[in-house]
Amino acid sequence: DVKVTQSSRYLVKRTGEKVFLECVQDMDHENMFWYRQDPGLGLRLIYFSYDVKMKEKGDIPEGYSVSREKKERFSLILESASTNQTSMYLCANRLWGPNYGYTFGSGTRLTVV
Amino acid sequence: GQQVMQIPQYQHVQEGEDFTTYCNSSTTLSNIQWYKQRPGGHPVFLIQLVKSGEVKKQKRLTFQFGEAKKNSSLHITATQTTDVGTYFCAGPGRDDKIIFGKGTRLHILP
Repeated sequence: DVKVTQSSRYLVKRTGEKVFLECVQDMDHENMFWYRQDPGLGLRLIYFSYDVKMKEKGDIPEGYSVSREKKERFSLILESASTNQTSMYLCANRLWGPNYGYTFGSGTRLTVV
Repeated sequence: GQQVMQIPQYQHVQEGEDFTTYCNSSTTLSNIQWYKQRPGGHPVFLIQLVKSGEVKKQKRLTFQFGEAKKNSSLHITATQTTDVGTYFCAGPGRDDKIIFGKGTRLHILP
């Protein structure tokens, strides 16, 4: 089975801090995605990447950046954390093409105080 | 833009009753996927439907893809407490991304 590992389950950070959320996959998949999940708003795509060094903005990229130096690792960066970035963050990957499902990590619940 | 809508948003059922959630897309889909997220958990891929009118079963779960490939449903027969969670449908969007519906949260009353 594919495994997607997110480094932290819970995280509390202060406003203005730079925050790194790490995601590692154990398969050789090109596609990786970062979502945030909020009550009533569902899953919203922040950034995605189809290959090393490649990144594309999703639907809500403001206030975030990403890094993909190696195929297995996709990091989400909050440049200057704000309270409205308190959320559940989910990393996912899948095989190339529209006919494959996502495998999600277990999520990082980030609280910005 | 393309949207995937799910109804209802919430559903409470008595244990043993049936449950159905519906998914509608603003555009024709090449496929539709279904996910389940347990409380406190992360979404888990359940199934993908590809063909017009396709019906697939997983034990007590029946998934259907509409003839026009713009809608889908998930039906659970005789719900159990283990069915609690949020069920999401998702369809392919632009640039090979997947668009998720907002989900139907299922509560089971004992």
